[in-house]
Amino acid sequence: NAGVTQTPKFRILKIGQSMTLQCTQDMNHNYMYWYRQDPGMGLKLIYYSVGAGITDKGEVPNGYNVSRSTTEDFPLRLELAAPSQTSVYFCASSSPGRYSNQPQHFGDGTRLSIL
Amino acid sequence: AQSVTQPDIHITVSEGASLELRCNYSYGATPYLFWYVQSPGQGLQLLLKYFSGDTLVQGIKGFEAEFKRSQSSFNLRKPSVHWSDAAEYFCAVGASTSGTYKYIFGTGTRLKVLA
Repeated sequence: NAGVTQTPKFRILKIGQSMTLQCTQDMNHNYMYWYRQDPGMGLKLIYYSVGAGITDKGEVPNGYNVSRSTTEDFPLRLELAAPSQTSVYFCASSSPGRYSNQPQHFGDGTRLSIL
Repeated sequence: AQSVTQPDIHITVSEGASLELRCNYSYGATPYLFWYVQSPGQGLQLLLKYFSGDTLVQGIKGFEAEFKRSQSSFNLRKPSVHWSDAAEYFCAVGASTSGTYKYIFGTGTRLKVLA
């Protein structure tokens, strides 16, 4: 009963390095989301996808890229890591339902530090 | 614009005491409302959701929430708090924008439980 799986759980990067945060879900959900969580700020939407091959920007997309080649996978790419990207990253998925009334399922997060 | 406000950043209660966490939303249409709980180092877990119908909804772990349209509120309650309830709680509204479903989160309320 995996649900949403994120890897890695922890990572430390140097400024300017790049990396990909992996997210996969086994619930056949069309919708997938990437959020970042900073202390006292709640969750901010980075990117989202409504299905394979379709992605769009959220509130805070700068410095990130995504792709969605399959229904299951939604990786998040940091090209040039900056200290401002130190955060906890959460991937989530949901089925669309008739309206926006389906809850999201979350992964356990990736804790990323940029030094 | 849609928004969710959780006015209490921190709340401390004694074990066995009652709990109410406040949530106010701003959304032009019928809101779809959610409460999530986040334990340290974990992702968000759905506690309960409101779509329509009975304004008092029951969730997991003994939580309930009441939707009050006139007050634009969706407060979370529990009659007797357990030490294991210490966590961060997020209120969210599901919003449909141009056919795309997004979720807007409050900034969270951190609950501390005293033995």
